[in-house]
Amino acid sequence: KNEVEQSPQNLTAQEGEFITINCSYSVGISALHWLQQHPGGGIVSLFMLSSGKKKHGRLIATINIQEKHSSLHITASHPRDSAVYICAVLDTDKLIFGTGTRLQVFP
Amino acid sequence: ETGVTQTPRHLVMGMTNKKSLKCEQHLGHNAMYWYKQSAKKPLELMFVYSLEERVENNSVPSRFSPECPNSSHLFLHLHTLQPEDSALYLCASSQGPDNTGELFFGEGSRLTVL
Repeated sequence: KNEVEQSPQNLTAQEGEFITINCSYSVGISALHWLQQHPGGGIVSLFMLSSGKKKHGRLIATINIQEKHSSLHITASHPRDSAVYICAVLDTDKLIFGTGTRLQVFP
Repeated sequence: ETGVTQTPRHLVMGMTNKKSLKCEQHLGHNAMYWYKQSAKKPLELMFVYSLEERVENNSVPSRFSPECPNSSHLFLHLHTLQPEDSALYLCASSQGPDNTGELFFGEGSRLTVL
């Protein structure tokens, strides 16, 4: 079993829908990253958080340290949000990555 | 544009070839990384350099040889690779090597070994 589990593995949505991607982890962490990987391969950092909630535009990330769980929400989804979303947790100085959630948003 | 540039973006090589991947960062960061991403697997850290010194080598086979001539450039030299080495190789940089800051990734170099 991976130390970082993401669900779902694949997700399809209609434009405008509210999206939730989940990340659960089994190790003690000091921070959690949400990353976005576009079809070309490049990865962009969306959020780094260690508690509570962060918002950037239509993206919201939350973390519950006690439950070892984080969620990434996308409001009013758009086809350009289609990408792989990767959760990574910081265990001491080591980053442990999930396998990603592939999101496709159709017009 | 993340400030981290990788070349080439695509590379096809035979098992007896020698090639190199290049990474350049324009962010003034002190740490640079090579990651390997295989299909349906999490990113795997290969090497970490901090101030041009290798600080981590994650049991990577010797057919992969990193080089960091200065804090802005990182190379991955490839020789006698195997087909299972086909993957996306991602370079990243950050302020420090301890992963406490934000990581900036390049677009990746997709390698196919025939």
